[in-house]
Amino acid sequence: QKEVEQDPGPLSVPEGAIVSLNCTYSNSAFQYFMWYRQYSRKGPELLMYTYSSGNKEDGRFTAQVDKSSKYISLFIRDSQPSDSATYLCAAPAGGTSYGKLTFGQGTILTVHP
Amino acid sequence: EAGVAQSPRYKIIEKRQSVAFWCNPISGHATLYWYQQILGQGPKLLIQFQNNGVVDDSQLPKDRFSAERLKGVDSTLKIQPAKLEDSAVYLCASSSVPGQVPYEQYFGPGTRLTVT
Repeated sequence: QKEVEQDPGPLSVPEGAIVSLNCTYSNSAFQYFMWYRQYSRKGPELLMYTYSSGNKEDGRFTAQVDKSSKYISLFIRDSQPSDSATYLCAAPAGGTSYGKLTFGQGTILTVHP
Repeated sequence: EAGVAQSPRYKIIEKRQSVAFWCNPISGHATLYWYQQILGQGPKLLIQFQNNGVVDDSQLPKDRFSAERLKGVDSTLKIQPAKLEDSAVYLCASSSVPGQVPYEQYFGPGTRLTVT
């Protein structure tokens, strides 16, 4: 079993839709959870991170963690064509201090006008 | 602030040939990572350096892959000999302080390797 598993998609939504991206994880030691966004032919860039359980909001983006079910979600409100990218959930190895990241396989999102 | 630089951006080689990738991290970043991203998958860590020392190379296929980070700045990843399954994007990332919340790693654009 992979430590971080992600709904592979792909997802195709109309502009303005609410998007839900989901991951599950198996390693109970994970404490931080991150969402990276990767545009085509580019490296990933950090979008948001959360610690432990709960919600975190940043503009149109909300990250949610449910540690009891080991479930991670990213919601995008009022989606825009510029949100079209691959979204990667990730968790750093909390047992070390060096930030080794374990990634999900990514979900390709397309927002069409 | 200049980002992580990688070269070349694209490389096509035949199997059994050798290839090398170069990475220059963000100035002052002590930690450097090499990831392999196969099409349709998330990045997988190959090796992590702290300054010029190796922190983690548990997923590096050491029979064919090697990496070095001389003087704790730029780094080179080499594959010799290449196999078809090495076709992937090789991403370099750096971070400023090991373990600093939120563990932000800054990624370069990657080198897309095709092995034929």
